Amino acid sequence: EVQLVESGGGLVQPGGSLRLSCAASGFTFSSYEMNWVRQAPGKGLEWVSYISSSGSTIYYADSVKGRFTISRDNAKNSLYLQMNSLRAEDTAVYYCARILPSIVGAYIDYWGQGTLVTVSS
Amino acid sequence: VIWMTQSPSLLSASTGDRVTISCRMSQGISSYLAWYQQKPGKAPELLIYAASTLQSGVPSRFSGSGSGTDFTLTISCLQSEDFATYYCQQYYSFPWTFGQGTKVEIK
Repeated sequence: EVQLVESGGGLVQPGGSLRLSCAASGFTFSSYEMNWVRQAPGKGLEWVSYISSSGSTIYYADSVKGRFTISRDNAKNSLYLQMNSLRAEDTAVYYCARILPSIVGAYIDYWGQGTLVTVSS
Repeated sequence: VIWMTQSPSLLSASTGDRVTISCRMSQGISSYLAWYQQKPGKAPELLIYAASTLQSGVPSRFSGSGSGTDFTLTISCLQSEDFATYYCQQYYSFPWTFGQGTKVEIK
């Protein structure tokens, strides 16, 4: 069974930092591309960042570029999101999501349960 | 950036109704579109990928259609467990983008 378990969320002051982790199990983590997606309270879904299976290709949403860093440790079956210079508008539930490659493109097929990040003084 | 317009934002319906949700792209994306269902306090779940392919385990009352810029999610006979929020998402190019969401509520 595919499982994605996020951790590391919490309350942080504006300008502060936080590191999110996602522990993967039930599949060969090193073979899959991964994403972070977030959802502000009462709002819709927003794609945040992508990382290839090897970690060699990375993309970010403009809203987080230069402040957030995605990484992975395939030996530990873990995905990370280092978040610096946090702003109130970064307050959201952050989801770790697996990407399934296919002949019809690569899409998200599994999501973690999410971890809440609250940026407030 | 590929912009997405999802409509309606709110849909009031009764059990047994046929409902349709629309998603329109600012540029063509072939069939690189997914639909997700999200219930309150839960993570989204994949319903449909490649615009019209049903994810394993998803009831056949759900169907997707379209290609290029216009896409539709149809629920043929609404069940009580289908009251939720639905999102379309394009995976044609980065940045990936989501529709604004459609909340299906009980009339």
